Amino acid sequence: EVQLLESGGGLVQPGGSLRLSCAASGFTFSIYAMSWVRQAPGKGLEWVSAISGSGGDTYYADSVKGRFTVSRDNSKNTVFLQMNSLRAEDTAVYHCAKDRWEWLDYWGQGTLVTVSS
Amino acid sequence: QSALTQPRSVSGSPGQSVTISCTGTSSDVGAYNYVSWYQQHPGKAPKLMIYDVSKRPSGVPDRFSGSKSGNTASLTISGLQAEDEADYYCCSYADTYPYLFGTGTKVTVL
Repeated sequence: EVQLLESGGGLVQPGGSLRLSCAASGFTFSIYAMSWVRQAPGKGLEWVSAISGSGGDTYYADSVKGRFTVSRDNSKNTVFLQMNSLRAEDTAVYHCAKDRWEWLDYWGQGTLVTVSS
Repeated sequence: QSALTQPRSVSGSPGQSVTISCTGTSSDVGAYNYVSWYQQHPGKAPKLMIYDVSKRPSGVPDRFSGSKSGNTASLTISGLQAEDEADYYCCSYADTYPYLFGTGTKVTVL
């Protein structure tokens, strides 16, 4: 059974940093890309970032480019999202998802990030 | 890039059919057969319901079907059931983004 468990969310001040983690199990982690998708309170889904299975290719939405960095540790079946220079508009639940490059077939429950002073 | 356009809400009685539209452009929905649909119950993780326009993952009831014509994709739920009440999001590959989501549609079972 595929399981994705995010952690690392919390309350952070504008301009601050946070590192999210997503622990995966139930599939061969290293051969699949992974994505991060966020959902602001009461709003829709927004794709944030993706990383290839090897970690050699990364992709970002324009809204986070230059501020967020995605990485992965295939020895620990974990993908990370380092978020710097956080803004109020980054407040959202952040989901990680198993990425098939054309669709996202499994999603985690998400971790809430609140950017506020 | 702007989100794909979906109706804010649709509703139907148990047993009826409802169709959710998802309108994009020739740079996303119209250009690629990579449309997927996700169901999200309140407070839960999204669940993949349709991929590649019309394919159903294992375990998804055949009451759910997808199609596309031009720049508009559609999700049809036939034989509506109470557990189908949820938010639904379409998603398409786009020229500049691997995943461009729709605005979301709330399905209400009357």
